[in-house]
Amino acid sequence: GDSVTQMEGPVTLSEEAFLTINCTYTATGYPSLFWYVQYPGEGLQLLLKATKADDKGSNKGFEATYRKETTSFHLEKGSVQVSDSAVYFCASANQAGTALIFGKGTTLSVSS
Amino acid sequence: SAVISQKPSRDICQRGTSLTIQCQVDSQVTMMFWYRQQPGQSLTLIATANQGSEATYESGFVIDKFPISRPNLTFSTLTVSNMSPEDSSIYLCSVEYISNYGYTFGSGTRLTVV
Repeated sequence: GDSVTQMEGPVTLSEEAFLTINCTYTATGYPSLFWYVQYPGEGLQLLLKATKADDKGSNKGFEATYRKETTSFHLEKGSVQVSDSAVYFCASANQAGTALIFGKGTTLSVSS
Repeated sequence: SAVISQKPSRDICQRGTSLTIQCQVDSQVTMMFWYRQQPGQSLTLIATANQGSEATYESGFVIDKFPISRPNLTFSTLTVSNMSPEDSSIYLCSVEYISNYGYTFGSGTRLTVV
């Protein structure tokens, strides 16, 4: 069945460092891909998404590009801040009307 | 995107009892999804609730343990029945929204069973 695999953390960075969190997917078709963020003590928030190959999602300085050839949707940010400390989840949805499938989540900790 | 009101936000329950979690959406949606997030883990889909029909449960989840109600297009409930400490988790509901396609989540119910 469909699945999402993301690098496991924790990832610990200094402020202004470059961030990459790897995410790959397996699917029978061409799913829509999402990154969600969960800040400490808060609910899940959509960070960015891409619905077709070569689409780039971006938000709050984060970017991810839908790469069909490598079945990947890696999350990147050029300069992280302490406020980016959170758990990041990669997710996919194979078609409209189906539930999101989540990766295991990656905990990011940024220190000043 | 849709806005979901989920309650209760947290509860501490005695083993053997049941808790019903409610999700109210501010617009009509076809599909609602219920997830469990065990401590330090990712989200696992419990079931999909379509209005007017029985919920569809994922492997490892059964209706007797997690009965779901979906009486209309804006509301759903999940009951955690005959609870044990292993049911201590965060439970979340989610809906898919069609305009600007995506998924919204409720704020979650943090359940502790003692």
